[in-house]
Amino acid sequence: DTAVSQTPKYLVTQMGNDKSIKCEQNLGHDTMYWYKQDSKKFLKIMFSYNNKELIINETVPNRFSPKSPDKAHLNLHINSLELGDSAVYFCASSRGRSAGVEEETQYFGPGTRLLVL
Amino acid sequence: KNQVEQSPQSLIILEGKNCTLQCNYTVSPFSNLRWYKQDTGRGPVSLTIMTFSENTKSNGRYTATLDADTKQSSLHITASQLSDSASYICVVSAYQAGTALIFGKGTTLSVSS
Repeated sequence: DTAVSQTPKYLVTQMGNDKSIKCEQNLGHDTMYWYKQDSKKFLKIMFSYNNKELIINETVPNRFSPKSPDKAHLNLHINSLELGDSAVYFCASSRGRSAGVEEETQYFGPGTRLLVL
Repeated sequence: KNQVEQSPQSLIILEGKNCTLQCNYTVSPFSNLRWYKQDTGRGPVSLTIMTFSENTKSNGRYTATLDADTKQSSLHITASQLSDSASYICVVSAYQAGTALIFGKGTTLSVSS
């Protein structure tokens, strides 16, 4: 059973298009994340949702909009794609906070490789 | 400014040898430190997570240490195997109203036979 799954695995699209990446976790976790990994392999957090509520929104263009229909899903919609959006996007989940201390291991999906032409 | 610096940037070792990767951070207030392994083309996988009060934590052949006074951590790999070839990422979490995760740029380890 796949704990954190993402679709699609690969996405090649033209500049200016709108696309979505889906993420689902079957771990019963409360918190989900989206990360971007650039060509230099540097991971940067983009968004974090806890029980369907946004708790982190790093400085990303507002062309990126996360949507969480339920706590097992966190989808990423990207409008007006640009060349610089080409990267690998990882979804992750964790149990979430407890007792005010976050000591939670994050489980990552396999990544979605986005190439904007 | 919250930062996580890892060294070396890359490392090549022979199979069977030990190695140590370093992570220095300037994150405050500190919550916990994690080490992840990322194989090529895959998502990161958690190796260890340590809080302020923990000095060392092991996961098989991986042993992480934490010195909260000097703000340094190391990941020691014993008897390396070809499958250890990967990027190792140090991540430090800061106490904030929201979750603040500061990532290092990783150390790329290559184990050769």
